[in-house]
Amino acid sequence: SAVISQKPSRDICQRGTSLTIQCQVDSQVTMMFWYRQQPGQSLTLIATANQGSEATYESGFVIDKFPISRPNLTFSTLTVSNMSPEDSSIYLCSVVLNTGELFFGEGSRLTVL
Amino acid sequence: AQRVTQPEKLLSVFKGAPVELKCNYSYSGSPELFWYVQYSRQRLQLLLRHISRESIKGFTADLNKGETSFHLKKPFAQEEDSAMYYCALSLPDSSYKLIFGSGTRLLVRP
Repeated sequence: SAVISQKPSRDICQRGTSLTIQCQVDSQVTMMFWYRQQPGQSLTLIATANQGSEATYESGFVIDKFPISRPNLTFSTLTVSNMSPEDSSIYLCSVVLNTGELFFGEGSRLTVL
Repeated sequence: AQRVTQPEKLLSVFKGAPVELKCNYSYSGSPELFWYVQYSRQRLQLLLRHISRESIKGFTADLNKGETSFHLKKPFAQEEDSAMYYCALSLPDSSYKLIFGSGTRLLVRP
C-alpha cells in the first residue's frame, strides 16, 4: 500500500483565482496522474505528471489551464488557473508504485463561486 | 472512442439478495478491465481486475468479449457492500491510464 496525501482536501474559491493542489506519496512511485471528477460525472484523466519535464495532457486539457509540476518522484502539484464555476470538481491524484499497483489519493474537492 | 458504460446510477437490493452491477465497454481490441469501489468517506480503491480472475469480498466479474461486458456479481449482498462502484478500462500499452464509467451506487438494505 501507499500513503498518498493530497492538500487541500477541500477549498472554496472565487472566480478568476487559481488554486494549487499538492500530492505527496510516501513510497517509490513510477507514475503519477491527475484526474478530475465533475459533479455527477465519471473520473476523467487530465494528464500524466512527468518527473522533471512537462506533463502529458489528455485531449481537452491544456497546460495553461492546468499547469502541473513534478519536481521529484514522490511529489506533484496541479494548479487550476483562472477558475470558473465549471471547474468545481473533485481532483484526484493517482500513483503507480514500483510494484505496479495503482492507488488513488482521497481527492481535493474544489468549489468555485 | 473508447468508452465505459454503467447504465444504472443506483442499484438498491435487500441484504442476502444477489447483485449484478452492469458494465459495458466499447473497444475493438483486448483491454484490461477493472472494478473500483469507493466506500463512504474512503478513497477509491481497486476491487478486482479481470486478468487476476479472483473473487474479492465475494465479488466476481467475468470479461465477455462477445458482449463487451464486465458485469460485477455477488450472490448474497451484505450491508457493508453499500458503496459507489466504478468500472474502468485500460488500453494495451496505455501505461496505467484508466477510462472510467460513470459509476453505480449500490445500496444494500437490511
